[in-house]
Amino acid sequence: DIQMTQSPSTLSASVGDRVTITCRASQSINTWLAWYQQKPGRAPNLLIYTASTLESGVPSRFSGSGSGTEFTLTISSLQPDDFATYYCQHYNSYPYTFGQGTKLEIK
Amino acid sequence: QITLKESGPTLVKPTQTLTLTCTFSGFSLSTSGVGVAWIRQPPGKALEWLTLIYWDDDKRYSPSLKSRLTITKDTSKNQVVLTMTNMDPVDTATYYCAHFANSDYFDYWGQGTLVTVSS
Repeated sequence: DIQMTQSPSTLSASVGDRVTITCRASQSINTWLAWYQQKPGRAPNLLIYTASTLESGVPSRFSGSGSGTEFTLTISSLQPDDFATYYCQHYNSYPYTFGQGTKLEIK
Repeated sequence: QITLKESGPTLVKPTQTLTLTCTFSGFSLSTSGVGVAWIRQPPGKALEWLTLIYWDDDKRYSPSLKSRLTITKDTSKNQVVLTMTNMDPVDTATYYCAHFANSDYFDYWGQGTLVTVSS
């Protein structure tokens, strides 16, 4: 199985900050990577797919980059609605796996 | 508008079989490239992909759970059914079904259903 490792596990930041979350795959997944945002008690929400394509309706302050084994999700200017947990997921080969999540907290 | 909703028991006993139904609208599972996946999340923990089914009835399972899982679809009813045998307390989780199309990222999710395994 391909292991997905996110860092950091927890990130404290303020409104207006630029933040970056990293996701590393244990082997190359090309650009078969998605990012999701999840708020407490809610289902995950797709933000980005194929590593860098923004899902329709997602604010442009979110961006993704990377290929192979290292990927990043960047929020250019944090808004109050962005404090949530973020997950990466690969879909390069079965079984698909998610990262352990990064909780973005208000500083 | 695509919507999905999970239904099934909220409490099962250890060793019992869990059956969950995902009822969806806004798409057809007979359309090429479309599929439905099941993902679960234990309380306070990360997401775990379980299984998926494609429009052509191809099915894939998580190797760690493959012996316990079955996924089926009923295209006429717009439903996908997940069966998990020999339930254990560690299977306590919120179970989600999700839609995908043409590539296996999940763009629409159900609200999830919490299943507790306890005697």
